[in-house]
Amino acid sequence: QSALTQPASVSGSPGQSITISCTGTSSDVGGYNFVSWYQQHPGKVPKLMIYDVSSRPSGVSNRFSGSKSGNTASLTISGLQAEDEADYYCSSYTTSNTLVFGGGTKLTVL
Amino acid sequence: QLQLQESGPGLVKPSETLSFTCTVSGGSISSSSYYWGWIRQPPGKGLEWIGSIYYSGSTYYNPSLKSRVIISVDTSKNQFSLKLNSVTAADTAVYYCASMWELRWFGPWGQGTLVTVSS
Repeated sequence: QSALTQPASVSGSPGQSITISCTGTSSDVGGYNFVSWYQQHPGKVPKLMIYDVSSRPSGVSNRFSGSKSGNTASLTISGLQAEDEADYYCSSYTTSNTLVFGGGTKLTVL
Repeated sequence: QLQLQESGPGLVKPSETLSFTCTVSGGSISSSSYYWGWIRQPPGKGLEWIGSIYYSGSTYYNPSLKSRVIISVDTSKNQFSLKLNSVTAADTAVYYCASMWELRWFGPWGQGTLVTVSS
């Protein structure tokens, strides 16, 4: 199975909004509403930010939102803050009863 | 609140078998809808799903690693384990265990353990 495709890096200024895309196929992202997003600060454990495309776990800021269109899922962060600077990974369930991650996106807050 | 703790060696020799155990606390490994997974992250690189298991023993593996991986569960000890055989330097990574809701998303995660494959 191939990794989901994410941009290597995105950047934005404090207060702005950014969107990270995650492109797969009809066998994963497009076929199921089981896309999740993880935030990972350097040297830290990944943290679940979004599950099932657009649901937010308790305790995650409502500045984080998720969506999907066709084979591409997106994570949007509004009102960017310095603490949002991190690596972000998407993941999807696949038709083979497996999971696949994206390659990761480094978010820089300018 | 579920907590997971990996235990295993930090150094493994090439061609040997890497073995890890993840101990679950704060809940039962036999809870329905919960699966249990292993993920790894080579230094400076992205996350890779290794495989997952249900308390019944049903396993699900990354096709690229399937021939070398065995994941097992011990419900009496509230633990699940990973064995990866014939390791090479490419298997050097931080290995995480994590809970999963069905096979849909991960969380919480263990703290991760760096394993270096070197002679």
